[in-house]
Amino acid sequence: SQQGEEDPQALSIQEGENATMNCSYKTSINNLQWYRQNSGRGLVHLILIRSNEREKHSGRLRVTLDTSKKSSSLLITASRAADTASYFCATRHGSSNTGKLIFGQGTTLQVKP
Amino acid sequence: KAGVTQTPRYLIKTRGQQVTLSCSPISGHRSVSWYQQTPGQGLQFLFEYFSETQRNKGNFPGRFSGRQFSNSRSEMNVSTLELGDSALYLCASSVGGGEKLFFGSGTQLSVL
Repeated sequence: SQQGEEDPQALSIQEGENATMNCSYKTSINNLQWYRQNSGRGLVHLILIRSNEREKHSGRLRVTLDTSKKSSSLLITASRAADTASYFCATRHGSSNTGKLIFGQGTTLQVKP
Repeated sequence: KAGVTQTPRYLIKTRGQQVTLSCSPISGHRSVSWYQQTPGQGLQFLFEYFSETQRNKGNFPGRFSGRQFSNSRSEMNVSTLELGDSALYLCASSVGGGEKLFFGSGTQLSVL
């Protein structure tokens, strides 16, 4: 079964607004990552946060991690129409040296121009 | 550097047939992972290969198999196809199973 649960499943906002997506997971993690997928294409890595980190920034992206609540959030500020995509959180467990990630179901973001 | 290349992009098969999908990782990457993506089940991990050895395996039946060659290129095979095998199959590579994965565009498999 899937490790991560994402919330909301779908989000529709206007260009310029902020978008926040949440991810929860069940067991302890090594790190948590966020990926983006444009319709029917491959995933693109956005940002990685390690279990001993609480917050990370990359451009317009801000990720937080709360290991006590087993949850993470992704904030996209000043959204653009080009941000329209599905966003997935993915967790890695155990050793960091493995290509096995457990993905959430994803949040579909629509940014209206 | 060229990205992860998956071939073919689209594939149509009928039940009972078998299929082989190919993945060429980014040059220098030794780990290749495969994922299945469906609307109902989302992204599910199939297996990971590192230096020609299967290092991790997901919870899929034995009809799903894979291998990795000495040049790190990987193939996955699905035998006796079922309708439920219709999915987008994604391959991802990393340097050593490292922290972030680089995905290909996927192979869209339709089983009729």
